[in-house]
Amino acid sequence: SQQGEEDPQALSIQEGENATMNCSYKTSINNLQWYRQNSGRGLVHLILIRSNEREKHSGRLRVTLDTSKKSSSLLITASRAADTASYFCATARTPSNDYKLSFGAGTTVTVRA
Amino acid sequence: GAVVSQHPSRVICKSGTSVKIECRSLDFQATTMFWYRQFPKKSLMLMATSNEGSKATYEQGVEKDKFLINHASLTLSTLTVTSAHPEDSSFYICSAGTPSTDTQYFGPGTRLTVL
Repeated sequence: SQQGEEDPQALSIQEGENATMNCSYKTSINNLQWYRQNSGRGLVHLILIRSNEREKHSGRLRVTLDTSKKSSSLLITASRAADTASYFCATARTPSNDYKLSFGAGTTVTVRA
Repeated sequence: GAVVSQHPSRVICKSGTSVKIECRSLDFQATTMFWYRQFPKKSLMLMATSNEGSKATYEQGVEKDKFLINHASLTLSTLTVTSAHPEDSSFYICSAGTPSTDTQYFGPGTRLTVL
């Protein structure tokens, strides 16, 4: 079942701007992951942050995790047209021995050239 | 590395027929594979967890006799939609996980349209 709620549902920005999206969840987690999905395609893993981590970077991506607020944010800096996609957060629960992920509703990002 | 393929990518069938979708991990062994269903502009809904050599575990509300899952090897899981009806039309996505990482690797998805 879904436990993530993402905000905003949709985001439209100009190329070069930063895009920020948030994810909130309800139960204790082992880790939180962000995925990207281009229209009609499968999901691509972007970044994983563990429950004992607060911030993680990967290229133009920055992810934060606040376990006290049960929330995470994904920041895409200097956006490009190719960043246009839907972005999903997914949580792995504790105890995490079944590898199941619960996905949020997603944020649709449109980067205008 | 960590490539997952799905076949077919798109299928159109008549109501009442059965459709088989294959999910393969191409360059790693996946003890666990997952099957998801996604409606337009919606999130992924986990249908079942497929474990190699054992019965699949279905999520609540998913009919196991309707959606047959077989995980016969460490690189192949199949989902068969039996007696498909128009309401089964959807985007089906599989993913594969490994014990050494918490990340799931997703296939490109299969678009099923039942007429």
